[in-house]
Amino acid sequence: QKEVEQNSGPLSVPEGAIASLNCTYSDRGSQSFFWYRQYSGKSPELIMFIYSNGDKEDGRFTAQLNKASQYVSLLIRDSQPSDSATYLCAVGPQGGGNKLTFGTGTQLKVEL
Amino acid sequence: DVKVTQSSRYLVKRTGEKVFLECVQDMDHENMFWYRQDPGLGLRLIYFSYDVKMKEKGDIPEGYSVSREKKERFSLILESASTNQTSMYLCASSLYVSGSSYEQYFGPGTRLTVT
Repeated sequence: QKEVEQNSGPLSVPEGAIASLNCTYSDRGSQSFFWYRQYSGKSPELIMFIYSNGDKEDGRFTAQLNKASQYVSLLIRDSQPSDSATYLCAVGPQGGGNKLTFGTGTQLKVEL
Repeated sequence: DVKVTQSSRYLVKRTGEKVFLECVQDMDHENMFWYRQDPGLGLRLIYFSYDVKMKEKGDIPEGYSVSREKKERFSLILESASTNQTSMYLCASSLYVSGSSYEQYFGPGTRLTVT
């Protein structure tokens, strides 16, 4: 069983719609959760992090964490073609610390 | 802004060559990482370092070594390059945020091709 799972996609949404990206993780004690955006041929860029259950909003992005169900999601409102990228979910270890475990990413395509 | 730089964006080497990949960060971060990224396999940790001259193996250290002589610089060494080491190599450094959580920031990556 993979430690961090994401649907590889592609997830296609029309411009202006809400894109919903999901991630599940296996380590119940994980404490920190991150979303990275990666454009083709580029390196991952940190866009959101969340540590507590509930929602965290930053502009058009909302991260949602449900530790009981062991999932974290990223909502992108008013999706733009520039949001087309692969989104990586990363999870920090139980007890905290440096090492992140990454999912393989979900490819998002925002269509005109 | 955190800045992580890598010495080369693209590199082509021959099988058996010794290859050095350099990474420099300018934010005084203690922790630095080397990953490789391959299609369908995601990011895999090769080595990380939590202080000068301190290192720890990641998930796939075979065929690689690292060096950290100065806090800002972390080098990845392929002792004898092989074709299965053709990949995108990503360096990262991490910033302590709160509680026991760290945020990782990536360099631009080096696409290495071994022929």
